[in-house]
Amino acid sequence: DTEVTQTPKHLVMGMTNKKSLKCEQHMGHRAMYWYKQKAKKPPELMFVYSYEKLSINESVPSRFSPECPNSSLLNLHLHALQPEDSALYLCASSHPRQGVEQYFGPGTRLTVT
Amino acid sequence: AQTVTQSQPEMSVQEAETVTLSCTYDTSENNYYLFWYKQPPSRQMILVIRQEAYKQQNATENRFSVNFQKAAKSFSLKISDSQLGDTAMYFCAFMSPYGGATNKLIFGTGTLLAVQP
Repeated sequence: DTEVTQTPKHLVMGMTNKKSLKCEQHMGHRAMYWYKQKAKKPPELMFVYSYEKLSINESVPSRFSPECPNSSLLNLHLHALQPEDSALYLCASSHPRQGVEQYFGPGTRLTVT
Repeated sequence: AQTVTQSQPEMSVQEAETVTLSCTYDTSENNYYLFWYKQPPSRQMILVIRQEAYKQQNATENRFSVNFQKAAKSFSLKISDSQLGDTAMYFCAFMSPYGGATNKLIFGTGTLLAVQP
């Protein structure tokens, strides 16, 4: 099973709202990633968690707050977003010892109004 | 710093024909990984094929194969017998193996492939 799931599929939020994106995998992967992707552009890395600890933060604004409650789950908490934050948010995971491939989820399409 | 270049923003191919997507990269490392990812309009990023730099043999996965030229730093993807379902954005990506579990993927800008019936 090489499945990464993400919820919700679509999210529309106002600039004053607080919402969360959820990512889950049951492949035993111990590295999990958040990417932001604009239309027709490659994904941009935001955060990396390794063994449930934040190991990379690519200078992402504090209105994005990641959380890794356990080895299977990754959340991205959103607060006071701007319209330019509208994008596809992709989650990925990889296993540190069984290969370097990252497996991606289907993404959450976020629209900030 | 490593860079990945895809010089073909868009390509088109007829169904059942063969198409080759180009990718070049720049690195000073001797060992690394290269990937091709496919992202259909449905948006899920799917791993197509991977190549380890220390392996001379070109990777193949069914109708997908690569031409890996390490000295030229070139990593092209050949799709044989193109199918309508191959219509997608294709991203070439580089990864250094020296970052442990948090290896970063460095993506090219992508090639949008349209398979025509």
